[in-house]
Amino acid sequence: GEDVEQSLFLSVREGDSSVINCTYTDSSSTYLYWYKQEPGAGLQLLTYIFSNMDMKQDQRLTVLLNKKDKHLSLRIADTQTGDSAIYFCAQGELSFGAGTTVTVRA
Amino acid sequence: GAVVSQHPSRVICKSGTSVKIECRSLDFQATTMFWYRQFPKQSLMLMATSNEGSKATYEQGVEKDKFLINHASLTLSTLTVTSAHPEDSSFYICSARDPQRGSYEQYFGPGTRLTVT
Repeated sequence: GEDVEQSLFLSVREGDSSVINCTYTDSSSTYLYWYKQEPGAGLQLLTYIFSNMDMKQDQRLTVLLNKKDKHLSLRIADTQTGDSAIYFCAQGELSFGAGTTVTVRA
Repeated sequence: GAVVSQHPSRVICKSGTSVKIECRSLDFQATTMFWYRQFPKQSLMLMATSNEGSKATYEQGVEKDKFLINHASLTLSTLTVTSAHPEDSSFYICSARDPQRGSYEQYFGPGTRLTVT
């Protein structure tokens, strides 16, 4: 079974906030990551959070980590059409989610 | 900086033949490279970790004699799918670590679509 789970699709209106959720099972990972994949391109590291942190903010991106519930989320503020992509959460280099396809509509 | 390329981007081969996929770090030296396989609508599955100058470490369930990995230099790792069969058709992705940028970041290649007929 999947060690990392995330919903497959998210549709959001331009200008709104997007929230992508992820749950994981292995609590030993030091780092948790969010990657973005655009069509025809490789995964691009968006941001990461160290396991002893609860929150990390980087411009429009906010990562929240709830270690008790093993829940990770990525919030994208003021979502733009260029944010349309597949977003993967990952624990270390071993466990990846299946990716959430984010579609931004005008 | 930190660009990883893969070649070829797409390959079609006949069942029983072997296919080699290259992964290169273009502007950094990668002591560690990773090979993944991705099925449609599924997550990336780590196949093996390759360290320059040593044998690759394969994940459980990955046949090392079928998926040969060579990391002969600090900028090149190759994955050879030997005696390919249709069930080997997949999207293969490599990634690399730049030790100068820390041990926690990976840089991914664009992937290689393998189709075995």
